[in-house]
Parts: sequence; C-alpha cells; structure tokens
Amino acid sequence: QKEVEQNSGPLSVPEGAIASLNCTYSDRGSQSFFWYRQYSGKSPELIMSIYSNGDKEDGRFTAQLNKASQYVSLLIRDSQPSDSATYLCAVILGGAGSYQLTFGKGTKLSVIP
Amino acid sequence: KAGVTQTPRYLIKTRGQQVTLSCSPISGHRSVSWYQQTPGQGLQFLFEYFSETQRNKGNFPGRFSGRQFSNSRSEMNVSTLELGDSALYLCASSSGQGARGYTFGSGTRLTVV
Repeated sequence: QKEVEQNSGPLSVPEGAIASLNCTYSDRGSQSFFWYRQYSGKSPELIMSIYSNGDKEDGRFTAQLNKASQYVSLLIRDSQPSDSATYLCAVILGGAGSYQLTFGKGTKLSVIP
Repeated sequence: KAGVTQTPRYLIKTRGQQVTLSCSPISGHRSVSWYQQTPGQGLQFLFEYFSETQRNKGNFPGRFSGRQFSNSRSEMNVSTLELGDSALYLCASSSGQGARGYTFGSGTRLTVV
C-alpha cells in the first residue's frame, strides 16, 4: 500500500516561533512533493513544491526533501496566527508516468498570539 | 485567469439516489482529479482524467464513476448513495504532467440523509 504519513498534531507554537511539519512516504520512486494549506471550511491551497533533495525557500516557508530517508518537511519561520491551518503533505507516488497525487491526513497547526 | 469551478456547492440527497457533480478546470488544464474528503479519512483519491481518458483510479467501489469531456470539463457520478458518502468532494486540475501541482476547486458538500 503506497502511503503518505503525517503527524496529525495538533501542533501549537507561539507567534514568532518556527513551526516544523514532517511527512514520510512509502514509495522510493516518487519524484514530486507538495505542501498544501487548508483553512477550516476551505479547499487546499498549494504553498510549496519540491522535486530535488535539499532545501527550497519561499518567503517564510522552507521545504526540505531527503529522498534517501523518504522524508519531506516544511518549516514556517516567524509563525503568524494567520498560519493556523491544517497542512497537507502530498506526493505523486510511483515515479515517472504516475499522476496520482496522494495526501497525508494533515497536521493541524495552531499559532498562539 | 478563472480558477477551478465546481457545481453545485451544496447538495442534499436521500439514500439510494444518485448524484452528478461537475468540475470545470483552469483554462488550458487537461487533467482533472477527484477527491473525497471526510474528517476521519482525510483526502482520498477517487480518479484522474487526462484528455478524456482515466489514467488512475483509487480504491472506491464501482458506484463512483467519472468522465471527462473534450473541453476538459469533468463530471463525477455516485449511484445508490449511502450515508457514508456524505463528504466534501473536491476536484483539482493541472496541466497534465502532475509535477507542477494541482489547483483545487471550492468543492461540493454532499449530505446523504
């Protein structure tokens, strides 16, 4: 069974702190990795994509990928109350020729003012 | 640029009935994926269509079906509705290669009574 695993949380951090969200996936052949943010009652919104090992930074967000460990993470620096949401890790499992985007169950983040 | 449009936004149906949901992708996107989201199971993949062909299918019973038209619009049908089919149904579109992520519509909230 091809899977994407996340810690469901909730994860609570104080305003201004770094929030660290983690994800593991089962298929070593996977090539494309994404982080989505979902506010309550809304649909998922793509915030980061990463395809190569290492770090990718976009503003306050940094995605980290380690294919050898089958591990993806998202760091949110200077966390704001508006970052409070559920963060979904998504992976296109199965490598080249696969187009099925599989989601973890999400980590709920609360940023405390 | 218009986003992904799903209709209707809300539906209430009775057990045993059938329902059809519609999704219009972003202009130029040829891939449409469908997901079921429930509090307990998270986002579960239903199927993905590209150029009118189903490329991937999730682990759902045959009561769940879909199709895609030549203009890339997609419909999802659920027959013989069960109470457990109550969920948020989301569609997402992409250019077709998957690697650039998927953009979600606002979803259709289906309630089966």
